[in-house]
Amino acid sequence: DADVTQTPRNRITKTGKRIMLECSQTKGHDRMYWYRQDPGLGLRLIYYSFDVKDINKGEISDGYSVSRQAQAKFSLSLESAIPNQTALYFCATSDPRVGHQETQYFGPGTRLLVL
Amino acid sequence: DQQVKQNSPSLSVQEGRISILNCDYTNSMFDYFLWYKKYPAEGPTFLISISSIKDKNEDGRFTVFLNKSAKHLSLHIVPSQPGDSAVYFCAASANNQGGKLIFGQGTELSVKP
Repeated sequence: DADVTQTPRNRITKTGKRIMLECSQTKGHDRMYWYRQDPGLGLRLIYYSFDVKDINKGEISDGYSVSRQAQAKFSLSLESAIPNQTALYFCATSDPRVGHQETQYFGPGTRLLVL
Repeated sequence: DQQVKQNSPSLSVQEGRISILNCDYTNSMFDYFLWYKKYPAEGPTFLISISSIKDKNEDGRFTVFLNKSAKHLSLHIVPSQPGDSAVYFCAASANNQGGKLIFGQGTELSVKP
């Protein structure tokens, strides 16, 4: 069973729609992250959370919001989707108590297409 | 401003030969570096890492070299196998950034039989 799961795996939506991407983990890690991957740009950090009460913006947070419902769940929302948010989205977790704090474990990704 | 750069979008190598993937960085505060491997339709998986206090770290067929003066690291895969064909991302972090990673653009490695 996957330790970090993401739903949905694929999503097509229209401009202006609200959409939520969900991430769940069974690793027991406190830290969770949302990234997007675009061709030629690598992975860029959108938001991160070091515990349930902690939410921080990453380098490209505009147009996105997050919710940390529990230690195991971290959701990413696009309040009003636009075409340039078409990308591959990854959730990741880490725990400095287990190995090095920077080692992050990724989910399988959500492919989002905004028409 | 791209703080971590992988200037080669793709690399093709013959099976059994050495694959060398390169990564440059600009932020002198980076003190930990990682390589991730990504197959299509999967998330990146951690491969190997190196602390700035070292200049080499080896794990089986994979070796990472760090040249701090040149702000350059490289990943060597010897011998290369077809199953190594994937996209490789290098990433860096600074100790005062609480574990946040900055990723390069990725290099797609193709190992041909």
